Amino acid sequence: QQPVQSPQAVILREGEDAVINCSSSKALYSVHWYRQKHGEAPVFLMILLKGGEQKGHEKISASFNEKKQQSSLYLTASQLSYSGTYFCGSNTGTASKLTFGTGTRLQVTL
Amino acid sequence: DGGITQSPKYLFRKEGQNVTLSCEQNLNHDAMYWYRQDPGQGLRLIYYSQIVNDFQKGDIAEGYSVSREKKESFPLTVTSAQKNPTAFYLCASSIAPMDGGNQPQHFGDGTRLSIL
Repeated sequence: QQPVQSPQAVILREGEDAVINCSSSKALYSVHWYRQKHGEAPVFLMILLKGGEQKGHEKISASFNEKKQQSSLYLTASQLSYSGTYFCGSNTGTASKLTFGTGTRLQVTL
Repeated sequence: DGGITQSPKYLFRKEGQNVTLSCEQNLNHDAMYWYRQDPGQGLRLIYYSQIVNDFQKGDIAEGYSVSREKKESFPLTVTSAQKNPTAFYLCASSIAPMDGGNQPQHFGDGTRLSIL
């Protein structure tokens, strides 16, 4: 079953912050985050492993709450280049298989 | 430069025809994956392979077939049994994880398949 992402879409002005959530109905081994620009391939952002760790990538960071089976992606001081669709991918420990969420469309405007 | 090459970029198929999408990687990755993406939707796993000569069905394998005869190649055939094949197809690869899905996946640029 696909992870559920929220919100489905968000529009920000440059410099504003956003949070994207990813919830799974199954126990998670790890969570991946990717960004896809229109018509392009998804690009890897970060992986979070079970243990509640938080990771950062420039002004984008993420957390993973294993107990709640949730991960959140935090975008601070958003830039125009952050626009795109963000996907979480959940791994439940079955080999290297990922199940992706339906995505969150993020648009950053001037 | 290392990467994943998918070809062709655009592909048109007549109903009843089988078509094969190419995916080649020179990253020396053990694992390879095929995903289907429909407009406004997420990625759904079709097939994946963690080692040469072995592959597993993903969530939507019906109407598709794959082979993995070489480490660097993982072609996907869309058969005539796939009733709604129009979609964006993405190939990805990763280092085969020793312990679950803790390795990033690297994606090719995709192939857009359309029915004539």
